[in-house]
Amino acid sequence: GQNIDQPTEMTATEGAIVQINCTYQTSGFNGLFWYQQHAGEAPTFLSYNVLDGLEEKGRFSSFLSRSKGYSYLLLKELQMKDSASYLCAVKGNYGQNFVFGPGTRLSVLP
Amino acid sequence: KAGVTQTPRYLIKTRGQQVTLSCSPISGHRSVSWYQQTPGQGLQFLFEYFSETQRNKGNFPGRFSGRQFSNSRSEMNVSTLELGDSALYLCASSLEILGVQETQYFGPGTRLLVL
Repeated sequence: GQNIDQPTEMTATEGAIVQINCTYQTSGFNGLFWYQQHAGEAPTFLSYNVLDGLEEKGRFSSFLSRSKGYSYLLLKELQMKDSASYLCAVKGNYGQNFVFGPGTRLSVLP
Repeated sequence: KAGVTQTPRYLIKTRGQQVTLSCSPISGHRSVSWYQQTPGQGLQFLFEYFSETQRNKGNFPGRFSGRQFSNSRSEMNVSTLELGDSALYLCASSLEILGVQETQYFGPGTRLLVL
């Protein structure tokens, strides 16, 4: 079966650091993706992990542990514009589709 | 490089009608996937096309169908519309190199309202 879990909502303060967790159980694995989606807009690609470890891209970092079926997205120096939903997605084996988690709605407060 | 484009952006239909949505992928991308997004259900996978063939299909009724053309452009069709079909329909394209599918990039979506 395919199952991806994320917290539904999170709140953080401008300038702070927030970690959004994602756990997954999928029949195949060929990469884990994070997307950002602002209200009323399409998801935009943030990061991609296929090997264990941390990938850093500016204020955003993503971590993967394949043995634990676990990933997190770390957002540093939070800005008001980071208020959005963050979607975790897993790509299965060749020929399998992407499976998306329910998304985490992050609110950044002043 | 132009991104994924979808037309129309907004659509209002009545129950029982049918609708066709169009998606043009990023140049060179041969994989096109369609998703339905509603506030309660999140992003639900509809189907994926690759080289004009449906490669995967989600758990949607047969009223939802799609196709892909030789230039990789894709269309999806919903027949006999129901109120519950009101949603944002997203198309995403990706590159596939030597059997490895790369990141999916999304279009702006078509917002469908069924009255």
